[in-house]
This record gives sequence, C-alpha cells and structure tokens, in this order.
Amino acid sequence: DARVTQTPRHKVTEMGQEVTMRCQPILGHNTVFWYRQTMMQGLELLAYFRNRAPLDDSGMPKDRFSAEMPDATLATLKIQPSEPRDSAVYFCASGLPRNTIYFGEGSWLTVV
Amino acid sequence: AQSVAQPEDQVNVAEGNPLTVKCTYSVSGNPYLFWYVQYPNRGLQFLLKYITGDNLVKGSYGFEAEFNKSQTSFHLKKPSALVSDSALYFCAVDQGGKLIFGQGTELSVKP
Repeated sequence: DARVTQTPRHKVTEMGQEVTMRCQPILGHNTVFWYRQTMMQGLELLAYFRNRAPLDDSGMPKDRFSAEMPDATLATLKIQPSEPRDSAVYFCASGLPRNTIYFGEGSWLTVV
Repeated sequence: AQSVAQPEDQVNVAEGNPLTVKCTYSVSGNPYLFWYVQYPNRGLQFLLKYITGDNLVKGSYGFEAEFNKSQTSFHLKKPSALVSDSALYFCAVDQGGKLIFGQGTELSVKP
C-alpha cells in the first residue's frame, strides 16, 4: 500500500533550534508539496517541486525556511532558527501533474 | 487566480439524514476540483475529483459531488450520514499544477 512517509511525527523544540522535517514521496510521483496547517490560517502551500526542481516557494518565509529534494525519494523542509509562531502541522504530499495528490500523516511541530 | 470558498465553518446533521457540504469556485477555464477529508490527528485523504465529463462524481465512503458550472459550485453530498463521517472536509482547486484548499468545513453527525 503506497503512502507518503513523513518524519518525525511529533517534535517539540526550543526557540532558536534548527528543525528538519523529512518526506518520502510515493514511488513514481514526480511532484512533491509542503503544506502547513494551523487553526488560524488553515492549509497553506509553502513550496512544491516537480522532478526535484523547485517550482514555487512563494508561500515560504525565506529568511528561516528552506526546502530541498536531494533525490527523488527524499524531500526536506528546514526551519532555522525556529520560532513559536512556526508551531503547526506540516504536511508533505505527492502526486502527478494535474492529478490527485496524496498526503502523509504530518509532522506536528511545537516550538516553545 | 483560481480559488475555492467553503461558506460554512460547521455543518451539523443527524445520523441517517442527507448531508451537504458546500463549495464554490472561482476559476478561469475548466476547473479541476477535489474533495478531501481529514480525521482528527491524521493527514488529508482523497475523496473524489472532477476533471471533465459527468457532472455527478462518485467517490469513497458513499460520498458524491455535483459540479454545477452555472452556479460555480461543487457541493459534497451523501444520502445518509454516519456518525463516523464526522470530520473536517476540504474542497480544493488545481491552480496550474498545485492544489489550493478552502478553509475547511467541520462536519458533525450526531446519533
């Protein structure tokens, strides 16, 4: 049963620390998305990649966030330094262009 | 830019009654529209999509959605609600290869 795998599932960290979230997309999917979910803002698209190339990262705070795809089986989202306002659920999703995308279970981040 | 709106933050339904979760869209051209469901502490799960063809789309768990071009709507429906349908429902539109989501509607089904 193919699925998007995200790690860590839960992370509590102190303000100022670096946080790295990882995602393994479904094999064969060439488009990978990072979304953030909060009560106030709902689901926001942070960045997405096609064939490992970044297509749009306009939703991402550039000063502290970075997203990469070192290879086709790994996408990373890094926050450095982290702040309390970054506390949220971060979802990775993968799919094919103009088609259904499939979500991972999320990385629940708390910055204290 | 393409967008979707879910006008209701919450919908309450009695078990066994029909349910409707509303979604309206604003797009140029032909829209690709999706519905997803999110159960507590879980990721979003795909329910159904409209790309082209039949205006009535059938999806998972007995859900269906009707694409209405004149009303620019894509409402999610189910003939008989279950308590287990209680969850957060998201409508989404494809915008040049990325999905843009509505704010979500909390569906509560009471016994």
